[in-house]
This record gives sequence, structure tokens and C-alpha cells, in this order.
Amino acid sequence: DGGITQSPKYLFRKEGQNVTLSCEQNLNHDAMYWYRQDPGQGLRLIYYSQIVNDFQKGDIAEGYSVSREKKESFPLTVTSAQKNPTAFYLCASSIWLAGGLEQFFGPGTRLTVL
Amino acid sequence: GQQLNQSPQSMFIQEGEDVSMNCTSSSIFNTWLWYKQDPGEGPVLLIALYKAGELTSNGRLTAQFGITRKDSFLNISASIPSDVGIYFCAGPTGNQFYFGTGTSLTVIP
Repeated sequence: DGGITQSPKYLFRKEGQNVTLSCEQNLNHDAMYWYRQDPGQGLRLIYYSQIVNDFQKGDIAEGYSVSREKKESFPLTVTSAQKNPTAFYLCASSIWLAGGLEQFFGPGTRLTVL
Repeated sequence: GQQLNQSPQSMFIQEGEDVSMNCTSSSIFNTWLWYKQDPGEGPVLLIALYKAGELTSNGRLTAQFGITRKDSFLNISASIPSDVGIYFCAGPTGNQFYFGTGTSLTVIP
């Protein structure tokens, strides 16, 4: 079954702790993304990576870090420097098809910082 | 980043009614994507549009790529309770995507 998996579905952490969210895809897509979604707001880009060992900051990268050591994996670390980390985090990947660029999402991880 | 303007923001309709929503941008897009997101879940790609004027259907869903390439429309015919959710549009520029603010759909049985 091809797709994007994110784990865990729900994550609770104490304030001041770093936490890493997992994202794996077996779609063989080159590009991967992390978004943050807050209630009533649209998706905001945290980081994206177009190829292995390369990534770029999105609109709200402060307080987050990523790595892209393997094509299929793009973990996101929420550091203690992130002022308001409680949110729904979505991982995505994209591919150029004959018509254009399409993006697919994982099921999301809801992070709650207590 | 750029945000796409989507309307209406929310809709409350009776089961069986048709639904229309649209997305506009100040910039031209070469691709328009429409997603549905259920509460607590990731968005699911419904329809992808690649050419200005293109009309594409997926079951009861029909989407159109506006002629100006600055807008797109999504229609849902004969709505059913499982159509409930948030629908949003997206368009890529380079390797980044820009998203609409979403339309929350409630279907009253």
C-alpha cells in the first residue's frame, strides 16, 4: 500500500522538551513538506525538501528543525524554542505528473504541549 | 506566503442540494488542486486541474480551471451527509504550494 505515514497520531509533551515527529513515504516522491495547521487557519509551511540532504525554510521555520537523510523520510523536530508548539502537523510529498505538480498528505500528528 | 481567497467560508445545506465554492488568486496558476479534509485527518486530493478552461469530474464532484488561470470552482451535486468537511483549493508555484482558507461544509440530513 503506497502512501505517507505519520506517527504517532497524538503526542503529548511537557513544555521545554524537544519532540520529533516522524514522516515516511513509499511513493518515491522527491519533494517532502511539513505544514502546521491551527484551528480556523490555513496551512502554513514550516520546511520543505526537494532532494535528499537538502531542505529550505518555509514561512514559519523558527523553533523547528528537519533532516532529509533518506528519500523516504523527513522527520520534524519541534524544539523548546518554538513559542506555541501545540498544533496539528501535516507531512506531505509531491510529484510532477504529466499534467502538473500534485501534492499528497499524511494523516497528521496532533501535538499537545502541556 | 501567498494565500488564495476561497468563498464561501462556510455553508449549511440540506441533504440532496448542490454546492458551489470558488477560489481566486491575484497570481496565475498552471495547476489547481482541490482537497477535502475531515476533522483530525489529513487532506485528501479530490481533483487536479492542469489547463485553463478544463472541466474535470470525480463522481458527484466537478471542478473547473478558470479561463484567466486566476480562479477555480468546485461543485458538489446531490450532497450526502458524508460530504461534511472542509474543502480547500491549492496551487503550486515552483515547488511550493499555496492554499485557500477553506470552505466548511455542513450537510443537514
